Amino acid sequence: SQTIHQWPATLVQPVGSPLSLECTVEGTSNPNLYWYRQAAGRGLQLLFYSVGIGQISSEVPQNLSASRPQDRQFILSSKKLLLSDSGFYLCAWSLTGRSNQPQHFGDGTRLSIL
Amino acid sequence: AQSVTQLGSHVSVSEGALVLLRCNYSSSVPPYLFWYVQYPNQGLQLLLKYTSAATLVKGINGFEAEFKKSETSFHLTKPSAHMSDAAEYFCAVSRTGNQFYFGTGTSLTVIP
Repeated sequence: SQTIHQWPATLVQPVGSPLSLECTVEGTSNPNLYWYRQAAGRGLQLLFYSVGIGQISSEVPQNLSASRPQDRQFILSSKKLLLSDSGFYLCAWSLTGRSNQPQHFGDGTRLSIL
Repeated sequence: AQSVTQLGSHVSVSEGALVLLRCNYSSSVPPYLFWYVQYPNQGLQLLLKYTSAATLVKGINGFEAEFKKSETSFHLTKPSAHMSDAAEYFCAVSRTGNQFYFGTGTSLTVIP
């Protein structure tokens, strides 16, 4: 069966520090991968999605970037964090090319910027 | 363009009462529709999905949803609310294969 791992679960970082959040998927090949951000009490904002290694689509201009160095690895990064980067970050995967299949989510990372 | 509207950002029901969470979609073609549940500080968990088969879809934890094309709706119901149902619920639509469009969520409170 497929599983998705996301870490760390919580992170407290000072303003201006770098960020690296990692997400890996097991049990499937060539998945679509997604990064979402969820502000407190708000819905989901799609940040990035990827349909293959090195292929990243950005949904909103921001202080963040994403990379997919391996088929089942998706990394969210920032060179300098802003206060507005605080939130709950969720990684998700879905089967490629199958729009009738759901997205499957990791447990999320709670990021607090001080 | 796809969009999803969840009517009511907060819904409160008494324990044992009917749960009804509303979702309407906008699409020129019947889409694929999903309901997710999110407990505090956790990721989203799939409750059920509609993929052009039966219009009444049964999911986990006693939830079900009915696809009504004439009303462009996919409301989520449960006959009898349990305290453990208190959570955030998200409706989502997909059609293009790469992206989902999520509603803004409905927070369900269950009153003992």
